[in-house]
Formats: sequence, structure tokens, C-alpha cells
Amino acid sequence: SAVISQKPSRDICQRGTSLTIQCQVDSQVTMMFWYRQQPGQSLTLIATANQGSEATYESGFVIDKFPISRPNLTFSTLTVSNMSPEDSSIYLCSVEGTDYNEQFFGPGTRLTVL
Amino acid sequence: QKEVEQDPGPLSVPEGAIVSLNCTYSNSAFQYFMWYRQYSRKGPELLMYTYSSGNKEDGRFTAQVDKSSKYISLFIRDSQPSDSATYLCAMNSGGYQKVTFGTGTKLQVIP
Repeated sequence: SAVISQKPSRDICQRGTSLTIQCQVDSQVTMMFWYRQQPGQSLTLIATANQGSEATYESGFVIDKFPISRPNLTFSTLTVSNMSPEDSSIYLCSVEGTDYNEQFFGPGTRLTVL
Repeated sequence: QKEVEQDPGPLSVPEGAIVSLNCTYSNSAFQYFMWYRQYSRKGPELLMYTYSSGNKEDGRFTAQVDKSSKYISLFIRDSQPSDSATYLCAMNSGGYQKVTFGTGTKLQVIP
């Protein structure tokens, strides 16, 4: 199984600012995923990031708001831009295991926007 | 209507009880069914992974899928306080389709 770390683990930010979340994996992986987990709601996929190509965004999420970088096979970043209180959530990265449906998750970044 | 419905709980049981966690879904194309466990302030971890209908057992955990009823279950035998967590069901239709998660059921096992 992959070991995934995320930075920061939590942050409190002001409205209108941006935060970049880092995701580091201890092995090379093809696909990395970014999710949002809001209280009482299911894990929602934001985008899929493959190394060497543009991220693929799910309906309701746009690159201007959630730009993603994937510079190599072990690292990715998600930026939450021009934040509002509605962006307060836990953001999780995950990677594909031996099977697409077997995903390993990072510990999450708990974001509060004031 | 949500694609996947899951009772949020919380569900409190005494130690040693048999726990039944359930999800219903509406998309008949779903073929792969997963259960994740998420401890407080941690990321989800995969517990069980099944394909199509039937049962799968792993230690104290049994996953059951009834595609005709669009209903999946996770049974935990001899529940322990360490089983206290939120359990998320997840499913997808195969290929590289996105995985759809339930909202999770919070379980508390009382010593």
C-alpha cells in the first residue's frame, strides 16, 4: 500500500486568499485524485491528475478555482483560489492502488475560511 | 435522488455485538462495491472490495451485495471499540469511471 502525506494538515484562511495543498506519495503512481469532504456530505471528486497531462475536472469544479499541478509521479498540488467560507472543507488526495477502485487516501487537509 | 444512500447514524452498539451497515443505490451499472473505514481526522482506508453480487468474508468483516435489490451491506462480528469509526460505502461501474461514495455511517462501539 502507498503512504501518502499532505501539507498542511489544517489551515485557517481569510476570504479572498488562496491556499496550496501538497500531496506526496512514497512510490510512483500514475493517477492521483483530489476529493472534497464536507460535513454530512459524501466524498466528492474534484479532479483526476495524471502526470504529464492536464487534470480532468468533475462537473461543478473548474480549473480557475482549483488549479492542480502534477510535476512528477510522486507529487501533486491542489490550489483553492479566491476562497470563500463555502470552501471550508476537508481536502483529500488519493492514489490508485493495484486496481482503479482500490484507492489509498492521505490524511486530509482541514481548511477553514473566515 | 442521490445515487448512493447511506444512513449517517450515529449507530451505537455494545462491544461484542454484530453490526450491520447498509447502502442502497440507484445506478444499475454499478458493478464494483467497496467499504472504507475512516477514523476521526484520518483519511479513509479500504476495508472490503467486491465485484458483482454475493458475499465476501475477511476476518470479522463480511461484505454482501444484492444487485437485484441495489443493496449492499457490511457486517462486523464481535465488534470492538477499535471499530468505532465512520464507514463509507463506495461503488462504480468499472473502467475508469469515478468512484461514488456514500455519506458514511458513524459507528460507536461501547466497551
